[in-house]
Amino acid sequence: QVQLQESGPGLVKPSQTLSLTCTVSGGSISSGNYYWSWIRQHPGKGLEWIGYIYYSGSTFYNPSLKSRLSISVDTSKNQFSLNLNSVTAADTAVYYCATVGGGGGWFDPWGQGTLVTVSS
Amino acid sequence: QSALTQPASVSGSPGQSITISCTGTRSDIGAFKYVSWYQQHPGKAPRLMIYDVSDRPSGVSNRFSGSKSGNTASLTISGLQAEDEADYYCSSYTSSLNYVFGTGTKVTVL
Repeated sequence: QVQLQESGPGLVKPSQTLSLTCTVSGGSISSGNYYWSWIRQHPGKGLEWIGYIYYSGSTFYNPSLKSRLSISVDTSKNQFSLNLNSVTAADTAVYYCATVGGGGGWFDPWGQGTLVTVSS
Repeated sequence: QSALTQPASVSGSPGQSITISCTGTRSDIGAFKYVSWYQQHPGKAPRLMIYDVSDRPSGVSNRFSGSKSGNTASLTISGLQAEDEADYYCSSYTSSLNYVFGTGTKVTVL
């Protein structure tokens, strides 16, 4: 079964770029059966959808983050990545990667999540 | 895109049934069958409990059920157990081709 694992720096300075990678195992990111998504959760708060990508490179972003956001896919490494630039303390959150299944109906499975803190 | 509206907290005694509502608009919940529910224990990643309004993934107890009426979806937990104490989030696909989550509901087992 598909498993996902986030990786990247746990600390990012304000105004810099937050970069995370999600490695997919147990299945091919190029299979075409899924979309691949990023979701975040601010400390003690609810979930916020960030965006998703298809293996072909087609992307859909949360309008509130679109101007700072880029999601890319590397099929050769079975990975997809998140880049969020010009970060502030408001971007401090646990970042999850997740599979979008059912033609777009649900998020499953999820990675374990990684905490990214924006601080100088 | 505004978050879907859920009650902040719901509680019940063991064995009882509780229902969590999730209110959206005709551009999200009211427009699609793509409503899902997630359970999240402290420090853990969310777990899919219901998809496509009322379907249960393999491995999820049949004590969990989902429904939808108009712009409001609901999650019912019957035979409440201590292990059900967690945060629950709904989610919906939207007509803007993106996703929105609910505000979250903390379930307490008394």
